[in-house]
Amino acid sequence: GQNIDQPTEMTATEGAIVQINCTYQTSGFNGLFWYQQHAGEAPTFLSYNVLDGLEEKGRFSSFLSRSKGYSYLLLKELQMKDSASYLCAVRDNSGGYNKLIFGAGTRLAVHP
Amino acid sequence: DTGVSQDPRHKITKRGQNVTFRCDPISEHNRLYWYRQTLGQGPEFLTYFQNEAQLEKSRLLSDRFSAERPKGSFSTLEIQRTEQGDSAMYLCASSFSWGAKETQYFGPGTRLLVL
Repeated sequence: GQNIDQPTEMTATEGAIVQINCTYQTSGFNGLFWYQQHAGEAPTFLSYNVLDGLEEKGRFSSFLSRSKGYSYLLLKELQMKDSASYLCAVRDNSGGYNKLIFGAGTRLAVHP
Repeated sequence: DTGVSQDPRHKITKRGQNVTFRCDPISEHNRLYWYRQTLGQGPEFLTYFQNEAQLEKSRLLSDRFSAERPKGSFSTLEIQRTEQGDSAMYLCASSFSWGAKETQYFGPGTRLLVL
């Protein structure tokens, strides 16, 4: 079966660093994506990993370990505008096309 | 604005009515996806088009749901005889088939409320 787990909620302080973990089980793994979603808005693409290791994009970094079925999103120098839900999504190609399987999302609240 | 657009952004309807949503993908994207998202959950896959061909439908998509993508451009999602359980955000995403580099970009969504 397919299963993606991530914490439901996290809180952090402005200027700090936060790590959001994601574990997954899927049959046709073909990459892992992180999206940011503000309340009432569409998910926006943050990062993408297909190989093991760390991908860095400004204040955001994402890590993947395929053998462990594990990823994390690291947010540095937190800002108030980073308060949002962060969605972990596995790209599954077992059907012959790339389908995204999403976790339920982690609601991050950044406090002053 | 060259992003994915969806219309309408909000729709309120009475149970039993039919509704239709439209999605305009990024112009050079050949793949189009529909997802449904309920409160506190991540998006759930509904259906997928490569150009004008509908290649996959989720079990979530009952026979009351139908989607089309004539000419491989915009797409429509129709829900017939709406039920209160259909209330959700309907998201459209598009991508270009770059193999491992394929990234889906989402539209703003249509929020449906069935009374």
